Amino acid sequence: DAKTTQPTSMDCAEGRAANLPCNHSTISGNEYVYWYRQIHSQGPQYIIHGLKNNETNEMASLIITEDRKSSTLILPHATLRDTAVYYCIVTNSGGSNYKLTFGKGTLLTVNP
Amino acid sequence: ETGVTQTPRHLVMGMTNKKSLKCEQHLGHNAMYWYKQSAKKPLELMFVYNFKEQTENNSVPSRFSPECPNSSHLFLHLHTLQPEDSALYLCASSQDGFGNQPQHFGDGTRLSIL
Repeated sequence: DAKTTQPTSMDCAEGRAANLPCNHSTISGNEYVYWYRQIHSQGPQYIIHGLKNNETNEMASLIITEDRKSSTLILPHATLRDTAVYYCIVTNSGGSNYKLTFGKGTLLTVNP
Repeated sequence: ETGVTQTPRHLVMGMTNKKSLKCEQHLGHNAMYWYKQSAKKPLELMFVYNFKEQTENNSVPSRFSPECPNSSHLFLHLHTLQPEDSALYLCASSQDGFGNQPQHFGDGTRLSIL
């Protein structure tokens, strides 16, 4: 399984962009990068995913380096409600099951 | 509203009790999952069901018994649990269990074993 490395915690000022890094140096060619977040007392929430190209949706942007060994999740205008643990996950596409293996993630704290 | 509803949200039970956790998804998905999240530990996958068939049992003790009567409903039957089983139990669903599609999670059942 490809593993990911994320900082334990980060801080961001409200209204500024939050850039969350993730290293996945052993990622395989057919494995996707997924981002989820978990706000306290809730279940994880899907944010975005990508394979090679940069992706953008209404929540965030995902920038994947050309060698695919790292990626950055960008929340363009962070709000207090974006305070959460953010998980970067490389999917296990082997076999017949699509599985998510969660690590410890990054605790993003958005400050007023 | 996540599209995945779990009941009850909180459950306290003794070690000899039998209880069940329920999960229902309204997303038209065909794969459903149970995860366990213990304090200060990452989420752990427990079971996977794909088109009502169990396709993954991640070495879960037999005191946890899953049931998937149809693609919209998933149960976790609990019997003779141990204190270390106290955790947040999360249900998720995805379009199917084969490809790369996002999983959608419920808000979990907080289980406390006395």
